[in-house]
Amino acid sequence: GAGVSQSPSNKVTEKGKDVELRCDPISGHTALYWYRQSLGQGLEFLIYFQGNSAPDKSGLPSDRFSAERTGGSVSTLTIQRTQQEDSAVYLCASSPEPLNYGYTFGSGTRLTVV
Amino acid sequence: EDQVTQSPEALRLQEGESSSLNCSYTVSGLRGLFWYRQDPGKGPEFLFTLYSAGEEKEKERLKATLTKKESFLHITAPKPEDSATYLCAVQAGAGKSTFGDGTTLTVKP
Repeated sequence: GAGVSQSPSNKVTEKGKDVELRCDPISGHTALYWYRQSLGQGLEFLIYFQGNSAPDKSGLPSDRFSAERTGGSVSTLTIQRTQQEDSAVYLCASSPEPLNYGYTFGSGTRLTVV
Repeated sequence: EDQVTQSPEALRLQEGESSSLNCSYTVSGLRGLFWYRQDPGKGPEFLFTLYSAGEEKEKERLKATLTKKESFLHITAPKPEDSATYLCAVQAGAGKSTFGDGTTLTVKP
């Protein structure tokens, strides 16, 4: 596609529920990244995919967080048993290769846990 | 661990008043330094990549420079539409970039 697409754009969920966030990267981009941005804060790295593999998942905050990528394209970030501290904007980005390229970001999913 | 520190946190300028934003970094083996612009409610937008000390990149009123310890984003004769948060990031290897907390620039007409 023309850009990185994320859905939903907004998600309000009750504490303890599971949520799935979707990212559709630019066609042909082999690298895909998930970041989290809390209100007024910088970007916190979560996980990086090269193709369908995740060489670096060091930023996932706990085992409640998981992500997958299929067909070298769409990625899903799943948060199980959501907590209030999970409230943030979840940003997905992609790049043609995993090195030496700037990222193209989506507009993010704003997650609110109530 | 890679670290990126941006200063100032916030900068208010009058239209036409030139200034610079600073990005100091600590990284073992810099492969690339990136500047992004982020508008409220949107994802960051890529501006520049700098690869080695001494390199400069320009785009309209923006010029980015790089030394071995820091990068500057110079804004010449800014306009109100340049108001945004500017983010700096470093990459030491394939994949993850480490971001600073950003400088929020406000340009008043």
